[in-house]
Amino acid sequence: GAGVSQSPRYKVAKRGQDVALRCDPISGHVSLFWYQQALGQGPEFLTYFQNEAQLDKSGLPSDRFFAERPEGSVSTLKIQRTQQEDSAVYLCASSSRPGLYNEQFFGPGTRLTVL
Amino acid sequence: TQLLEQSPQFLSIQEGENLTVYCNSSSVFSSLQWYRQEPGEGPVLLVTVVTGGEVKKLKRLTFQFGDARKDSSLHITAAQPGDTGLYLCAGVKNSGYALNFGKGTSLLVTP
Repeated sequence: GAGVSQSPRYKVAKRGQDVALRCDPISGHVSLFWYQQALGQGPEFLTYFQNEAQLDKSGLPSDRFFAERPEGSVSTLKIQRTQQEDSAVYLCASSSRPGLYNEQFFGPGTRLTVL
Repeated sequence: TQLLEQSPQFLSIQEGENLTVYCNSSSVFSSLQWYRQEPGEGPVLLVTVVTGGEVKKLKRLTFQFGDARKDSSLHITAAQPGDTGLYLCAGVKNSGYALNFGKGTSLLVTP
């Protein structure tokens, strides 16, 4: 497909487990964003990549969260020692170019439930 | 902490009615976007407004950006069941790139 894809779509983890969430952006898109959407809330910014460079990680809640995009395409969001408060939908978005008015295309999200 | 306050949070109306959703902030945004999100899906962009006072129309949807670029509204005329969903406003601050989302307005249109 031509859209942003994310996997897995659903993930259940036991508290303390490590998880890895994958994002495949639209081919050729320079910018990649991760957002966290808690139940009943709007998405909140986590981190931003321009190609392989992580330009902003100010939204990551703690040092248990780590994101990478080593070749400037696929990105992985890793959460170590998961906690119940990490339960949320994690959305990935990509954009064809950086800039203020660029449209961000969102994937369907990964719903993480930590028991 | 979310910079944008949306109201109402929930709205249930009958087919054919009109409605307005509001998005307010004390911050100035260089642009503001409206998204619609359906269950199990990511948000889909409806419109981007960039100029204070700008009005954009998309079929039965009318979007307005406040003169001071701190607030926006979405008006739907003659709502249809297919309009059901979560409507999110999101602003980009000057020299920024990340979207700052409101909590959303959950709209249910019944036949």
